[in-house]
Amino acid sequence: DTGVSQNPRHKITKRGQNVTFRCDPISEHNRLYWYRQTLGQGPEFLTYFQNEAQLEKSRLLSDRFSAERPKGSFSTLEIQRTEQGDSAMYLCASSLAGYVGDYGYTFGSGTRLTVV
Amino acid sequence: QKEVEQNSGPLSVPEGAIASLNCTYSDRGSQSFFWYRQYSGKSPELIMFIYSNGDKEDGRFTAQLNKASQYVSLLIRDSQPSDSATYLCAVRGAGSYQLTFGKGTKLSVIP
Repeated sequence: DTGVSQNPRHKITKRGQNVTFRCDPISEHNRLYWYRQTLGQGPEFLTYFQNEAQLEKSRLLSDRFSAERPKGSFSTLEIQRTEQGDSAMYLCASSLAGYVGDYGYTFGSGTRLTVV
Repeated sequence: QKEVEQNSGPLSVPEGAIASLNCTYSDRGSQSFFWYRQYSGKSPELIMFIYSNGDKEDGRFTAQLNKASQYVSLLIRDSQPSDSATYLCAVRGAGSYQLTFGKGTKLSVIP
């Protein structure tokens, strides 16, 4: 499978707990993005990496959210002290430098987070 | 605040008809424009991109861009029931790699 892989597919957690999601991009893609999508809304940008450098962060990304991409390969998104408002689909996407303006992103299947 | 507006629908068309989906955007510096299809419970799938004024055709799909009017549209010819999905318009601004998405238009193709 050469697509964008996200794990887990579903996560149910209690309010106040920490959760971590993983994204494995398409192997030759050096750009990686995290988005969040709630029901009835389009995806909202969270953050962007080029290789291991985090180059853009949305104001939506509060201090409870942290993302890493060690060695420019897979990425993790951690949410600390989860709140019910964090319930959403978390989407990871990747692209190849020099083509994102033309070819757009390839999204993974997403991780659906439910905070109870 | 960069905004992308779409009619939420639902838009219902009979099988075989042309479906027309519209999108407006607020940022005049926007450079690239994308249409994604999203089936219920699935992630968005890129179907078209356009960055120059005019039309771009790919099979049954045609994307149209008018930067002066800040308007982009997607036409689906010979609509099929399998085209029933939510169609998301996305825009990339100058100097940024993030996409701003609209809320999507739900399309229903009636057999």
